[in-house]
Amino acid sequence: QKEVEQNSGPLSVPEGAIASLNCTYSDRGSQSFFWYRQYSGKSPELIMSIYSNGDKEDGRFTAQLNKASQYVSLLIRDSQPSDSATYLCAVIFRYSGGGADGLTFGKGTHLIIQP
Amino acid sequence: SQTIHQWPATLVQPVGSPLSLECTVEGTSNPNLYWYRQAAGRGLQLLFYSVGIGQISSEVPQNLSASRPQDRQFILSSKKLLLSDSGFYLCAWEPIGGNVLTFGAGSRLTVL
Repeated sequence: QKEVEQNSGPLSVPEGAIASLNCTYSDRGSQSFFWYRQYSGKSPELIMSIYSNGDKEDGRFTAQLNKASQYVSLLIRDSQPSDSATYLCAVIFRYSGGGADGLTFGKGTHLIIQP
Repeated sequence: SQTIHQWPATLVQPVGSPLSLECTVEGTSNPNLYWYRQAAGRGLQLLFYSVGIGQISSEVPQNLSASRPQDRQFILSSKKLLLSDSGFYLCAWEPIGGNVLTFGAGSRLTVL
């Protein structure tokens, strides 16, 4: 069973604070993890990928991975109102049909940054 | 650079009518192609994926079908739409051997 779990929120964070988004996944063998941001009515866009245990930083974003706990998180520092969106966690599982490694998505966490 | 196009952007269809959504990718060859659906209040559900011309795999049984008549063209179809087919349909591509998925702008379908 391929599952990616996220708290649906909404998660409300004051402007300038750190937003922390969490995700757990079911397949211990998964190796690739992604965070997508989706604005209302728009398609998802990739913001971070992480493949190794530990932290990966890109600007105001930090992805954290703990494979032993099957846990991925995304931290957004100095949160801005423009960060208000739904954040989707995605994990690569091998498809039952073989031949392609595609993404299984969580349902997303709705983040609201309060000015 | 690579770009992905999806159309139509929005459509309203009656129950029982046919459907055709089209997706094309430019600037790359032999991409893996995907169709996802996002229903209201639900997550992204993988519908079909393709690793090459004429090669279609389905992850879930449904009222839909997909075809890949050309290397960079992916089509989602239905002969008779159901109310439950309403949703936001997203085409996506990734380079062969890669694992970064890029989405098109999406097609929003409302079945009445």
